[in-house]
Amino acid sequence: DAGVIQSPRHEVTEMGQEVTLRCKPISGHDYLFWYRQTMMRGLELLIYFNNNVPIDDSGMPEDRFSAKMPNASFSTLKIQPSEPRDSAVYFCASSNRDVNQPQHFGDGTRLSIL
Amino acid sequence: GENVEQHPSTLSVQEGDSAVIKCTYSDSASNYFPWYKQELGKRPQLIIDIRSNVGEKKDQRIAVTLNKTAKHFSLHITETQPEDSAVYFCAAFSGSARQLTFGSGTQLTVLP
Repeated sequence: DAGVIQSPRHEVTEMGQEVTLRCKPISGHDYLFWYRQTMMRGLELLIYFNNNVPIDDSGMPEDRFSAKMPNASFSTLKIQPSEPRDSAVYFCASSNRDVNQPQHFGDGTRLSIL
Repeated sequence: GENVEQHPSTLSVQEGDSAVIKCTYSDSASNYFPWYKQELGKRPQLIIDIRSNVGEKKDQRIAVTLNKTAKHFSLHITETQPEDSAVYFCAAFSGSARQLTFGSGTQLTVLP
């Protein structure tokens, strides 16, 4: 089991640029979650999918953020345009069968917006 | 929505002593309570979880207790070792919001 795979591990870019984060969930898991972690706000749920369909995007901070899941093995989180306050660690997680089942996290993407 | 409070924010113990971290939640409909360990620069890793139909669960040196009436749950680590040093997060799954809400984390330091 390869676990949840995220790329890139680190991203440094200038304000205003588009940023795309990628995630491959554990094979067979039908729930995928995007979280953001900062010192000030801790771990926050941004959005989650069930069977590739977005279920709850109430945590997405604003229209600059978007997420897609075109198939069961791939999801993207896009920020356009990026701002310095978007700097954080972004984690993807997946679970099997339901939201209240063990969620397994990827290694995260450390994003720095200059 | 759900609100999870976690205490203490930092905890230092001597190697071999026990450590206890406490969390309270607000949504009485919450029914799933996982605990995650996060080492510096690493991903959160699930270490133990408990459901609302169980009062206590144990896995080797780690145990979790749940008091549904008081709406609080605790993580107990016995015989602590330096490799237990990390940030520990509690979380509660709200049946109404249908999402996990995380506590603010506890930095545990085990002194050799």
